[in-house]
Amino acid sequence: DAGVIQSPRHEVTEMGQEVTLRCKPISGHNSLFWYRQTMMRGLELLIYFNNNVPIDDSGMPEDRFSAKMPNASFSTLKIQPSEPRDSAVYFCASSLGGRRNTEAFFGQGTRLTVV
Amino acid sequence: TQLLEQSPQFLSIQEGENLTVYCNSSSVFSSLQWYRQEPGEGPVLLVTVVTGGEVKKLKRLTFQFGDARKDSSLHITAAQPGDTGLYLCAVDNTGGFKTIFGAGTRLFVKA
Repeated sequence: DAGVIQSPRHEVTEMGQEVTLRCKPISGHNSLFWYRQTMMRGLELLIYFNNNVPIDDSGMPEDRFSAKMPNASFSTLKIQPSEPRDSAVYFCASSLGGRRNTEAFFGQGTRLTVV
Repeated sequence: TQLLEQSPQFLSIQEGENLTVYCNSSSVFSSLQWYRQEPGEGPVLLVTVVTGGEVKKLKRLTFQFGDARKDSSLHITAAQPGDTGLYLCAVDNTGGFKTIFGAGTRLFVKA
């Protein structure tokens, strides 16, 4: 398996534009997580899905952020409109959910810069 | 307030030195994980500790889970430049199978 695949690796956009980040989890994994990482706040959990259903989105910073998982092999995180403070590295991770101590497998991340 | 407090935040040492980094909380956990993140990559799991007082070794890395299951430490013996990275502790919070991370210790090992 190629692991968790994220695209794009880098995104530079202007303030106010819509940004869509994409993730393909590891085949067979039924939990998917979106994290945001900054120097100031570390690795923050934004939202996670189990069996394609959003379970907890309490980490989503505001209504400008939305995430979908239309099927088991694809998820998107959308920011509309984007702001400079959204600049960060966004990670997607997947795991075999429903069990304790499961390992989260991370993608390489998308480095987002909003200017 | 962070659920997991990691210290130190930054550590820069010479190759061959030993070091210990810490992960502390006021909460009790059924298990705790350590991940390492290299520049430009996502975190990768190193170990999971599940029993109070447990010690696990992974080559030159020694992980310990506190007796009360509130804290953990990671000791590296004879550090090498390849150990450079961000070391994150993580817990499975609230039984909801979502992983919460500490802020990490950024380690730099100079050759």
